[in-house]
Amino acid sequence: DSGVTQTPKHLITATGQRVTLRCSPRSGDLSVYWYQQSLDQGLQFLIQYYNGEERAKGNILERFSAQQFPDLHSELNLSSLELGDSALYFCASSAIEGRGYNEQFFGPGTRLTVL
Amino acid sequence: KNQVEQSPQSLIILEGKNCTLQCNYTVSPFSNLRWYKQDTGRGPVSLTIMTFSENTKSNGRYTATLDADTKQSSLHITASQLSDSASYICVVSARASKIIFGSGTRLSIRP
Repeated sequence: DSGVTQTPKHLITATGQRVTLRCSPRSGDLSVYWYQQSLDQGLQFLIQYYNGEERAKGNILERFSAQQFPDLHSELNLSSLELGDSALYFCASSAIEGRGYNEQFFGPGTRLTVL
Repeated sequence: KNQVEQSPQSLIILEGKNCTLQCNYTVSPFSNLRWYKQDTGRGPVSLTIMTFSENTKSNGRYTATLDADTKQSSLHITASQLSDSASYICVVSARASKIIFGSGTRLSIRP
């Protein structure tokens, strides 16, 4: 158990809908990262937050957005869903700022299925 | 262009045998290199992390090597077990907070 929690575990929805994925980082970790992993694909970095502020952006679509709240939990919002958005979405956390210098601890993921 | 390439893409070995996974990178300036193990449908778990000055690091039956001159790393698994069946991901970090994931090697251990 990494200490990072994600909810829900599974999510099934229809095209055009909007969903929200939630992540609680390890106790004390200030950085949160979101990743997308499509079937049999590698991890794709989406976005990073540090202590409530956006720090880095990766391959995140305009239909997707995220935020980190004062209690440090984070939410990833996916809107106008398409079939291709079906994937595992992972959240990771690390102790301090800087993706390159800190070990990231990954949550169990949310499996999103868009029908 | 910063890239991380892993080989082989997939590998099947018999239980008890050893194997070596490769990672070549072109990331610059180099900061550190990590190997992660990812069981199917689960989040990656860190196995080792190496900085520029480290050549070898072990974690139980897992031994990672790093040659910063040739920009190559390997992950050697000794006396494989069925539970080693997973994807192994090489992740290279550059300074200025850039992090690049390899596409992984899918390892299957057969009894």
